[in-house]
Amino acid sequence: NAGVTQTPKFQVLKTGQSMTLQCAQDMNHEYMSWYRQDPGMGLRLIHYSVGAGITDQGEVPNGYNVSRSTTEDFPLRLLSAAPSQTSVYFCASSYSRGPNTEAFFGQGTRLTVV
Amino acid sequence: RKEVEQDPGPFNVPEGATVAFNCTYSNSASQSFFWYRQDCRKEPKLLMSVYSSGNEDGRFTAQLNRASQYISLLIRDSKLSDSATYLCVVNVGFQKLVFGTGTRLLVSP
Repeated sequence: NAGVTQTPKFQVLKTGQSMTLQCAQDMNHEYMSWYRQDPGMGLRLIHYSVGAGITDQGEVPNGYNVSRSTTEDFPLRLLSAAPSQTSVYFCASSYSRGPNTEAFFGQGTRLTVV
Repeated sequence: RKEVEQDPGPFNVPEGATVAFNCTYSNSASQSFFWYRQDCRKEPKLLMSVYSSGNEDGRFTAQLNRASQYISLLIRDSKLSDSATYLCVVNVGFQKLVFGTGTRLLVSP
């Protein structure tokens, strides 16, 4: 059981380039979300999805787009990369809407924008 | 003010020691509470949920005080393998998780 798989693990982009961070889960989870982790800031929610075809913004959505065409996949698109988007990105999924549901995280993508 | 606040540490303790971490949250409508563990350069993983009645999992005990909006984690008989960052996490609804910045624990021989 692979769980939550993120690709790539590492990426260097030039300012202004675009790219897509991939996230896939094989646990048939309804909820998926993207977080970024910066030193001294904790993980912050970028976008989330409560099911296929439904997405919404989190705390820090500017500069990112998402879509959820299938239950399994939740890609994060950087439209025009900026140095402020240098961060570690984590994708997470969880099964149900119950409040005590565990969130499972992917291994992260370390992105550097130069 | 941050929505979830933790002392960043580091807490340096010898093996066998008991150590306690605290966390406060500001959203009184928060629905559920967790401690996650994050090893260096790894993803967060659930350590335990936190219930109002308090709960224990082996050497780990978690407490929640909703009136004071305060969460705690107690680790007894610390092991070298407990060295990690402990994240206080609050679910504010619809699986939207708010994370504290984490408390770093270093257990030494």
